[in-house]
Amino acid sequence: NAGVTQTPKFRILKIGQSMTLQCTQDMNHNYMYWYRQDPGMGLKLIYYSVGAGITDKGEVPNGYNVSRSTTEDFPLRLELAAPSQTSVYFCATSAPHDMNTEAFFGQGTRLTVV
Amino acid sequence: AQSVTQPDIHITVSEGASLELRCNYSYGATPYLFWYVQSPGQGLQLLLKYFSGDTLVQGIKGFEAEFKRSQSSFNLRKPSVHWSDAAEYFCAVGAKDDYKLSFGAGTTVTVRA
Repeated sequence: NAGVTQTPKFRILKIGQSMTLQCTQDMNHNYMYWYRQDPGMGLKLIYYSVGAGITDKGEVPNGYNVSRSTTEDFPLRLELAAPSQTSVYFCATSAPHDMNTEAFFGQGTRLTVV
Repeated sequence: AQSVTQPDIHITVSEGASLELRCNYSYGATPYLFWYVQSPGQGLQLLLKYFSGDTLVQGIKGFEAEFKRSQSSFNLRKPSVHWSDAAEYFCAVGAKDDYKLSFGAGTTVTVRA
């Protein structure tokens, strides 16, 4: 029972490079989210999706893009990496049709931009 | 929009002592409230949640939290902490028609022997 799987776990990027953070889930949840976590700031929502083909911006979307072609996958794209994007990124899922819903998190991707 | 404040950035507690972490939220309607724990290098694990009903909720690892609407608070408590409770704790708020969670800045708990 994998749950929410993020790859890679760690990555170092040079300024201006691009990369895709992968997130896949086997929980059949409609909602998926990308958060970034910075020290003393908690988690900030970057993008979210309520189902395949539907995405929307969160609090801090600038510099990122997402797509949702399937229920299972929700990749996060950084096109031109900047030092301000150094952070820990978490993917999460939830099933809001269930009253007792909660968000389930992946293990995170630690990204450093130098 | 909802928001969450965790007033304490860092708390140090002795093993066996009680622990209380504060959480205040801002939301116009009935909130959905959560406490998550994050151990170093790990993802977030749900400790407990409140949607409706009994305002005192029990969670895993011996934690409990009390929803107080009049104070807009959802404080987390544990009667006797163990060294393994050293972690970062996050309070989060959502809503019935808006499942995007807003998180507080987190409280780091250190447990001393």
